[in-house]
Amino acid sequence: AQSVTQPDIHITVSEGASLELRCNYSYGATPYLFWYVQSPGQGLQLLLKYFSGDTLVQGIKGFEAEFKRSQSSFNLRKPSVHWSDAAEYFCAVGDGNQKVTFGTGTKLQVIP
Amino acid sequence: NAGVTQTPKFRVLKTGQSMTLLCAQDMNHEYMYWYRQDPGMGLRLIHYSVGEGTTAKGEVPDGYNVSRLKKQNFLLGLESAAPSQTSVYFCASIPRWGQETQYFGPGTRLLVL
Repeated sequence: AQSVTQPDIHITVSEGASLELRCNYSYGATPYLFWYVQSPGQGLQLLLKYFSGDTLVQGIKGFEAEFKRSQSSFNLRKPSVHWSDAAEYFCAVGDGNQKVTFGTGTKLQVIP
Repeated sequence: NAGVTQTPKFRVLKTGQSMTLLCAQDMNHEYMYWYRQDPGMGLRLIHYSVGEGTTAKGEVPDGYNVSRLKKQNFLLGLESAAPSQTSVYFCASIPRWGQETQYFGPGTRLLVL
């Protein structure tokens, strides 16, 4: 069965600094990969997705992620963080059985 | 389109009571999912369905049952609620596998006393 690991439970960055959130997955074939963001008390919003093709994926709000098969990773990046980016971020992987599995999330705090 | 809707939005149960959560989508999506979200644990898949009349177990199926008698509805049942089932429940649907991502409902907050 596939699994997703987000090793950082909590990350704090300064506004304007760059951001990288880590995501590692375990799956035997090429997975479908997703990043979602959730603000407190809200639902999930899709930031970006990877199904195939170009391994560098652009998403909304200035986010991007790169699929690295050799490292089984799909890290999320943003060059300059805004205070409004403070939220919880979830990485997810989809498999050949149409299951989608989520990581445990990374909470992002942005300080002025 | 109303998208993915969940009923109810909030519910308080006593231990041992039963209830059914309804997920409805008007987008003719094939795949539907039920997740629970707990602090520090992300979203965990309870059950899912790859089409009308089908259901499959996810990561944490114990204590829950599901049915997908109609394509647009996916019901999650708790036969005998336990405090450990206190959680926020999210439903999601996908139109076609491998081409689109999940559309999520707004969530149902369940408190079991």
